[in-house]
Amino acid sequence: DAGVTQSPTHLIKTRGQQVTLRCSPKSGHDTVSWYQQALGQGPQFIFQYYEEEERQRGNFPDRFSGHQFPNYSSELNVNALLLGDSALYLCASSLGRGYTFGSGTRLTVV
Amino acid sequence: GDSVTQMEGPVTLSEEAFLTINCTYTATGYPSLFWYVQYPGEGLQLLLKATKADDKGSNKGFEATYRKETTSFHLEKGSVQVSDSAVYFCALKGANRDDKIIFGKGTRLHILP
Repeated sequence: DAGVTQSPTHLIKTRGQQVTLRCSPKSGHDTVSWYQQALGQGPQFIFQYYEEEERQRGNFPDRFSGHQFPNYSSELNVNALLLGDSALYLCASSLGRGYTFGSGTRLTVV
Repeated sequence: GDSVTQMEGPVTLSEEAFLTINCTYTATGYPSLFWYVQYPGEGLQLLLKATKADDKGSNKGFEATYRKETTSFHLEKGSVQVSDSAVYFCALKGANRDDKIIFGKGTRLHILP
């Protein structure tokens, strides 16, 4: 049973560019949450998607947006990248109370 | 709002030493409590969890007890190994289905052979 799959695993972008990160949830999970983990910090909640709608949002600017598809997979989009957006981006899927995390996408903005 | 506070690291111990990483929380209602582990260059792995007061979560020799009276969930292991070197995160999640997970800042653990 595949767990949560994220792609790509690493990428490097230039300041001002846009990036899209992808997440395939664990089989049977219908909710996807995204977290940002800056170096040396704990993960911070970005937003959560359920039934193709954003259900909750953390304290992140509108440059961060997302989408959930009918098959429950999800994308995280970040526009106008800043150096401070460099981080590990984690996707977590859930059904009810149990969360499963992916291995993350490490984004470096130069 | 809900929050998690855990001891700052790094924590450096010799192999076979006893480990305690302190964690306290602030939350309304009755959250579930978790410890996650992150090995270098990897994502988060659930280490153990407890869903109600006085529950003890355990896994791979690690234990933590949900103490509502002291709002604590301290992580312990009787004899650490070099392979336990990692970053450990204490976390909580509210009782509602769509509640998000809130993490502490993490504690880096170094075990010396």
